[in-house]
Amino acid sequence: DAEITQSPRHKITETGRQVTLACHQTWNHNNMFWYRQDLGHGLRLIHYSYGVQDTNKGEVSDGYSVSRSNTEDLPLTLESAASSQTSVYFCASSEGSGGLETQYFGPGTRLLVL
Amino acid sequence: KQEVTQIPAALSVPEGENLVLNCSFTDSAIYNLQWFRQDPGKGLTSLLLIQSSQREQTSGRLNASLDKSSGRSTLYIAASQPGDSATYLCAVTAAGNKLTFGGGTRVLVKP
Repeated sequence: DAEITQSPRHKITETGRQVTLACHQTWNHNNMFWYRQDLGHGLRLIHYSYGVQDTNKGEVSDGYSVSRSNTEDLPLTLESAASSQTSVYFCASSEGSGGLETQYFGPGTRLLVL
Repeated sequence: KQEVTQIPAALSVPEGENLVLNCSFTDSAIYNLQWFRQDPGKGLTSLLLIQSSQREQTSGRLNASLDKSSGRSTLYIAASQPGDSATYLCAVTAAGNKLTFGGGTRVLVKP
């Protein structure tokens, strides 16, 4: 069955370190998204991509970057981790661009920055 | 900027009672509205998607309505069960398939 996976599921890191969170989907979807979920803020869009070599900034993109070298993967990199980036990170994917399709979410990565 | 609000933030009901969850949004220029379920420590599962041209969508015990002009949606869950306990999130889709989420309603169905 097609799916979307994230790794690691849990990560503890130190302030200032570079961290990369992986997202892999097997639906062959063009669109991929990264969100963070925090108490009091709900889910907020960090970065998104509509296809290979395409990346775009979302609502809370500062301190994060993504790259899309193939259809299946959209890794999220925290260039220099900060305590404010402690959160649960969700990756999602969808097909099409007309707003008619649902997004499928991965299981999430819990990140703690000490 | 689109804002999505869900009230109440938490809800507790006895088993068998119908659940009514509310979602409001500020900008009516949406492509669709979706309701998701999130279990503790898990990802989001799409429950219902209502296109902007539709008024409601049904799946089993779930029924969602959409009034785009007033910026409101309601999710009804009939005859609630303990297995319905979860957090329910609504989200609206704008151009580019980008979602804006509400803060969620945490539901507890007591046996």
